[in-house]
Amino acid sequence: GESVGLHLPTLSVQEGDNSIINCAYSNSASDYFIWYKQESGKGPQFIIDIRSNMDKRQGQRVTVLLNKTVKHLSLQIAATQPGDSAVYFCAEGGGGNKLTFGTGTQLKVEL
Amino acid sequence: EAGVAQSPRYKIIEKRQSVAFWCNPISGHATLYWYQQILGQGPKLLIQFQNNGVVDDSQLPKDRFSAERLKGVDSTLKIQPAKLEDSAVYLCASSGGQGRRETQYFGPGTRLLVL
Repeated sequence: GESVGLHLPTLSVQEGDNSIINCAYSNSASDYFIWYKQESGKGPQFIIDIRSNMDKRQGQRVTVLLNKTVKHLSLQIAATQPGDSAVYFCAEGGGGNKLTFGTGTQLKVEL
Repeated sequence: EAGVAQSPRYKIIEKRQSVAFWCNPISGHATLYWYQQILGQGPKLLIQFQNNGVVDDSQLPKDRFSAERLKGVDSTLKIQPAKLEDSAVYLCASSGGQGRRETQYFGPGTRLLVL
């Protein structure tokens, strides 16, 4: 049977290195994109968002890049820390503030 | 500022039983959302309320799921009867409005296991 979604893509990085998490979105009409962080046993936590009229936005230790030509989104985390270990989801926003979430990427920070 | 509150945090039931989840959004938030998150997947929207009215329930399995937000604040989501495939985390989120690009803030979720 299909097992899509049971095996999250995993990114392992060393503490202090930079992390890059990628996401492909499907709807070319989406005009708002968000990254959420979800730690085990908790709800998703907002990290950063970007509107479609931008291609880059920076926050504290995080940068989101948007490439509308290839419908690709990335989240860069500078100087990754153990507390950054979590599952990261990208979401695309449509009409009425409806969000469509991607599958997620598991980030593991090795000491 | 208090976040989104949900209860219970965990629930185990047998198939064909009924279950209800409760959500209290962030104070003043007009829009409330219920999501279903199956293990290993991203959250999927079940229903969206604006105050006490339904904005979007296109992905709610209406033969067994129901939700209400009678006074435009707290909300309950009910499953009756439950099936094995309903085992998931049920997340509640709220946002300040229904406009585009309103940040959604999530609660801790209710973990449901159907045996």
